[in-house]
Amino acid sequence: AQTVTQSQPEMSVQEAETVTLSCTYDTSESDYYLFWYKQPPSRQMILVIRQEAYKQQNATENRFSVNFQKAAKSFSLKISDSQLGDAAMYFCAYRSAIGTASKLTFGTGTRLQVTL
Amino acid sequence: GAGVSQSPSNKVTEKGKDVELRCDPISGHTALYWYRQSLGQGLEFLIYFQGNSAPDKSGLPSDRFSAERTGGSVSTLTIQRTQQEDSAVYLCASSQQTGKTEAFFGQGTRLTVV
Repeated sequence: AQTVTQSQPEMSVQEAETVTLSCTYDTSESDYYLFWYKQPPSRQMILVIRQEAYKQQNATENRFSVNFQKAAKSFSLKISDSQLGDAAMYFCAYRSAIGTASKLTFGTGTRLQVTL
Repeated sequence: GAGVSQSPSNKVTEKGKDVELRCDPISGHTALYWYRQSLGQGLEFLIYFQGNSAPDKSGLPSDRFSAERTGGSVSTLTIQRTQQEDSAVYLCASSQQTGKTEAFFGQGTRLTVV
């Protein structure tokens, strides 16, 4: 079974600074998808960024980028120019690419605080 | 609707009662997931439906929990004889068939068992 580990329960960053959230995963599969989701206090889970394992290029979405290290099974999220609205819980998630869409396996989350 | 809709938003029930939580997925999404999120915790997988395939029930914590999906659309999660440890936010998500597509989440049902 696949597992996802987020070793940072809480992180803090000053507004306009950069922060990196860590995520590692364990799988024996070679093809899969990785996601970062954001959950603000409203409880609404929002997709931040996704990465397809067969792509070597790291995904980027505006101020959000990932450092995907397939051999190390690491998938960290970098938030640049942090804004107050980035404060939320961030979850890393894994999904197998075998067959049709399978379940998402989530990490335990990292709570990000953004300070002035 | 445009998004995943869950009802009720909040539910308070007495210990021992049965509860039903409803999820309306995005139209056309074949995959539907239920997750449980206890206070300040991560998402615990409960059950997953994909089209006409048999559901993956491997995450259901006990036989008090069951779920069905009628007509490939609306899903109901039922908890029988609720216990205080069942108190949590129950999140539903849906996605298209292919694995790389994102799962869209509802806003969840906060269940409180008193």
